[in-house]
Amino acid sequence: DTAVSQTPKYLVTQMGNDKSIKCEQNLGHDTMYWYKQDSKKFLKIMFSYNNKELIINETVPNRFSPKSPDKAHLNLHINSLELGDSAVYFCAGSRGAGNTIYFGEGSWLTVV
Amino acid sequence: AQRVTQPEKLLSVFKGAPVELKCNYSYSGSPELFWYVQYSRQRLQLLLRHISRESIKGFTADLNKGETSFHLKKPFAQEEDSAMYYCAIHAYQKVTFGTGTKLQVIP
Repeated sequence: DTAVSQTPKYLVTQMGNDKSIKCEQNLGHDTMYWYKQDSKKFLKIMFSYNNKELIINETVPNRFSPKSPDKAHLNLHINSLELGDSAVYFCAGSRGAGNTIYFGEGSWLTVV
Repeated sequence: AQRVTQPEKLLSVFKGAPVELKCNYSYSGSPELFWYVQYSRQRLQLLLRHISRESIKGFTADLNKGETSFHLKKPFAQEEDSAMYYCAIHAYQKVTFGTGTKLQVIP
């Protein structure tokens, strides 16, 4: 069983479109995250949720909106996509902020 | 604010040579330090954490509070060690990753 799964794995879309990436974890973790990995492999946290509540929002444009319908899901919606949004987006989960983070396989987003 | 510094973007070593991936951190409290690894086009995964004091795949890392370092070491590099390595600090409600070091093991 995959602990953290995200879909789609690959997404190519045009500028200005709105898209979503879904994430589910089956580990029973209370904390979930979205990370962005750019072309230089820099890994930057975007959001962190604990028990469905947003606890970290790292100066991400408000075109990005996370939604957590329950503790097992944290979806990422992106409005009005821009070229600079092209990156790999990783969903992750952990049992509390101080414990090991389990990552999904990543979603490769390409905006053309 | 917590910060993690990995000074080397790329580290190339020959197979069988020793490896040391540097990581320095700044944090005023007692940190939890981790190393994560990302093999080509795969998800990031935990390699080791300082609290467990284990050796994973031959890698070890010692937390040096005096030097605020958590360098990752392996005595003899293998080709399968080629990957991106990220040092991370876990503090209350927040995880901060370093910029990563690409390890390239030359056959």
